Amino acid sequence: SFVLSQPPSVSVAPGKTATITCEGDNLEKKSVHWYQQRSDQAPMPVVFYDNERPSGIPERFSGSNSGNTATLTITRVEAGDEADYFCQVWDDDSDRGVFGGGTKLTVL
Amino acid sequence: QITLRESGPALVKPTQTLRLTCTFSGLSVTTSAMCVSWIRQPPGRALEWLALIGEDEDTYYSPSLKTRLTVSKDTSKNQVVLTMTNMDPGDTGTYFCARSQGGDCFLDPFDLWGQGTLVTISS
Repeated sequence: SFVLSQPPSVSVAPGKTATITCEGDNLEKKSVHWYQQRSDQAPMPVVFYDNERPSGIPERFSGSNSGNTATLTITRVEAGDEADYFCQVWDDDSDRGVFGGGTKLTVL
Repeated sequence: QITLRESGPALVKPTQTLRLTCTFSGLSVTTSAMCVSWIRQPPGRALEWLALIGEDEDTYYSPSLKTRLTVSKDTSKNQVVLTMTNMDPGDTGTYFCARSQGGDCFLDPFDLWGQGTLVTISS
């Protein structure tokens, strides 16, 4: 079964750039979606289809996908960006959704 | 405004069957090119995809839970329904419904989520 791996935690100072990775076998062949989940809230999408931003998401959020690694980049990090971030793909070999284990972003 | 709202029992005993509903407001559950998934999250842990129902009511399930899950639409109530049998304390968590829309259930992201409902399995 397809597995996505994320670092459990990332810490960054305000105003700096946060990079969150998501690894999977030949991941570049799939479309990766990223979700932000603030404490006690439902997830919300921040990047679609590797590198597209939903309406209302700041340009500070961007994504890329190459080889076995997809990356969510948040520039000029703000306190309000502190949250858990999950990557997600569809495994069309088994017709199921797959989430990464999540990364807790801490703003120092 | 389009919203999804999950509802169901907050407490279920082990071995019982869980029935959750996802009620759509501002949008019909029969909308074309739309898929609805159920996703759960144990406390403090990662999201887990459970099941999907497509536009034509085709269904797909997590392989590890397939024998316990059923997802369906109740068009009269504009709802998507999830039943899960033989509940266990390990099934405790928040259950979300989420929409994906774009014409390809196995490509599109979850662009709209319900607020989730916490289900505790305990005797």
